[in-house]
Amino acid sequence: DMKVTQMPRYLIKRMGENVLLECGQDMSHETMYWYRQDPGLGLQLIYISYDVDSNSEGDIPKGYRVSRKKREHFSLILDSAKTNQTSVYFCASSFAPTSQNTLYFGAGTRLSVL
Amino acid sequence: QQKVQQSPESLSVPEGGMASLNCTSSDRNFQYFWWYRQHSGEGPKALMSIFSDGDKKEGRFTAHLNKASLHVSLHIRDSQPSDSALYFCAASEQNNYAQGLTFGLGTRVSVFP
Repeated sequence: DMKVTQMPRYLIKRMGENVLLECGQDMSHETMYWYRQDPGLGLQLIYISYDVDSNSEGDIPKGYRVSRKKREHFSLILDSAKTNQTSVYFCASSFAPTSQNTLYFGAGTRLSVL
Repeated sequence: QQKVQQSPESLSVPEGGMASLNCTSSDRNFQYFWWYRQHSGEGPKALMSIFSDGDKKEGRFTAHLNKASLHVSLHIRDSQPSDSALYFCAASEQNNYAQGLTFGLGTRVSVFP
């Protein structure tokens, strides 16, 4: 079954706490992504990972870092979370880096930073 | 300025009717286009891709691409309540692997009985 799984689905944190969002895929896709979705801003790319330990900044990487130690697993870390990082975070994967490859998204993690 | 612009922002369509969504790009480097659909509480899901000028039909959905004007459209025939969702247009550049997909802000489609 082709699936991208995100954990947790909902998370509430206090400002200054560290946050770990986890993502797994069972399709052996090389490329994985983290996006955030905000009203009026759409989907914005945070980081791309081309394979294990091969990561690249997206459009809005400030305040985030990522880790990919296994091909099927990609983590997003917020060190000392800020209230403006309240958002819905989506992980996605594709067979290879786009140009022509479809992205498969997880169901998202809704993060609230209080 | 958004590189991928969608219109209208929202659309109400009677069940069985036709929904028409539009997307334009301001970046001539974009070569490949997708339509994604997102139901409430879920992640976006690819509906269809279109890479060549002209029409592409998949079931009730037809996409049209005009690369000269960088205009993409999506037409949903015989709209169903399950088509109520947020529709994103997305684009990518040829051989620019660092960018991923660039998404528009979406068109919210509501199908009423």
